[in-house]
Amino acid sequence: GDSVTQMEGPVTLSEEAFLTINCTYTATGYPSLFWYVQYPGEGLQLLLKATKADDKGSNKGFEATYRKETTSFHLEKGSVQVSDSAVYFCALSPNTGFQKLVFGTGTRLLVSP
Amino acid sequence: GAVVSQHPSWVICKSGTSVKIECRSLDFQATTMFWYRQFPKQSLMLMATSNEGSKATYEQGVEKDKFLINHASLTLSTLTVTSAHPEDSSFYICSRGTGETQYFGPGTRLLVL
Repeated sequence: GDSVTQMEGPVTLSEEAFLTINCTYTATGYPSLFWYVQYPGEGLQLLLKATKADDKGSNKGFEATYRKETTSFHLEKGSVQVSDSAVYFCALSPNTGFQKLVFGTGTRLLVSP
Repeated sequence: GAVVSQHPSWVICKSGTSVKIECRSLDFQATTMFWYRQFPKQSLMLMATSNEGSKATYEQGVEKDKFLINHASLTLSTLTVTSAHPEDSSFYICSRGTGETQYFGPGTRLLVL
């Protein structure tokens, strides 16, 4: 079945460091890919998405490129801030016209000043 | 601001009792809403799809008699955990979708003693 694998955390960085959170997926067909973020005490929020191969999603300085050849959707940010501390979830939608999401386990990011 | 709310945000109950969790779509009439469950350090698992005016659709392995879902209006879905046991302790999250974007509630933490 469809699945998402992302790196275990926590990821601990200093402010202004470069961030990469790896995400790979297994799916039939052509899924859409998402990164969701969960800030402390809040619900998950869509951070960015990509709906087809080679698409790049971007938002708030974060980027991720849909790589079909490596079945990956790694999240990157050039310079993290303390306010980026949160849990990040990679997810896919099987693209069957249904809104079902399959999530990875989440990666906690801790950014220190 | 938040577009999906949940109530309560946390609940502690005795084993054998039933607990109801409410999920409200604040800005959109949602014919479909989703219920997820999240165990510590694990991904969100879709439990069921709540359909306004009809029966919920449960994912494989989810006991429909254990987790009762009622979607009585376009803005409210409820999840009732019946005869709760300690193994039902978890974080329950609801969402509603617009296209491929899901909007999540802040979650309800259930602890069954």
